Amino acid sequence: GAVVSQHPSRVICKSGTSVKIECRSLDFQATTMFWYRQFPKKSLMLMATSNEGSKATYEQGVEKDKFLINHASLTLSTLTVTSAHPEDSSFYICSARDRAGPNIQYFGAGTRLSVL
Amino acid sequence: GENVEQHPSTLSVQEGDSAVIKCTYSDSASNYFPWYKQELGKGPQLIIDIRSNVGEKKDQRIAVTLNKTAKHFSLHITETQPEDSAVYFCAAKNFNKFYFGSGTKLNVKP
Repeated sequence: GAVVSQHPSRVICKSGTSVKIECRSLDFQATTMFWYRQFPKKSLMLMATSNEGSKATYEQGVEKDKFLINHASLTLSTLTVTSAHPEDSSFYICSARDRAGPNIQYFGAGTRLSVL
Repeated sequence: GENVEQHPSTLSVQEGDSAVIKCTYSDSASNYFPWYKQELGKGPQLIIDIRSNVGEKKDQRIAVTLNKTAKHFSLHITETQPEDSAVYFCAAKNFNKFYFGSGTKLNVKP
C-alpha cells in the first residue's frame, strides 16, 4: 500500500521552543493532507486540513498561529508547533489522501512530542 | 457535523473466536467508511473499507458490513489471533473530512 513518512517519530523540547514535524507521501501525490492530535487512549482529533498550494483549514478551537501548517508540494506538508508549552505534549499524526483515490487516507507513524 | 459512535470500548476474546465492533453515524451524506488498526505508539493502518453503495466486503479473516438505512457499520474479525490485539477505529467520510469513532481496544488471549 501507499506509504506516508512522518518525522521525527519522537521529539523532546524545552518550553518556548518551536518544533517542526514533516509528513511526506513517498509513492503518491497528495493534494490534501490532514493533521491530527491524539491524547492517550483517545480517538484522533482533526486539527487542520492542508491543501497543496493554499492555506490550511483549521478546525474550531485550533490556534492557527500556534500550529503553523505548510503544504508546499504534492508530497510534503509540515506542522510547526510554535512556542511549545507542556500542554502541547501529545501524539501528532498526519495523513495523506491519494490524489488518484480520493477516498483513501494513509497515515504516518505519528510524532510523540514532549515539552518540558 | 457528523458524529460517529463506536462500541464496545474494550473487547476481550479467546484466540480463535470472532470479534465484532460496531459503529453508528449520524449524517446520511457520509459515503465512505474505513476501519483502522493502531498498534501502540504507531499511526493507524487501514485494514478494510467500504463505500456506501456496497453492503458487505470481505478480505480474508476481516469483513465489514454496512446498513445505510440504519446508519451503522460493523467490523468482523474471524479466527482471531494474538497479533490482532490492537486498538481499532472506525471512521466516516463526510464531504472532505473523516470523523473517527472513539476506538475499541481488542485483546486476543492466547
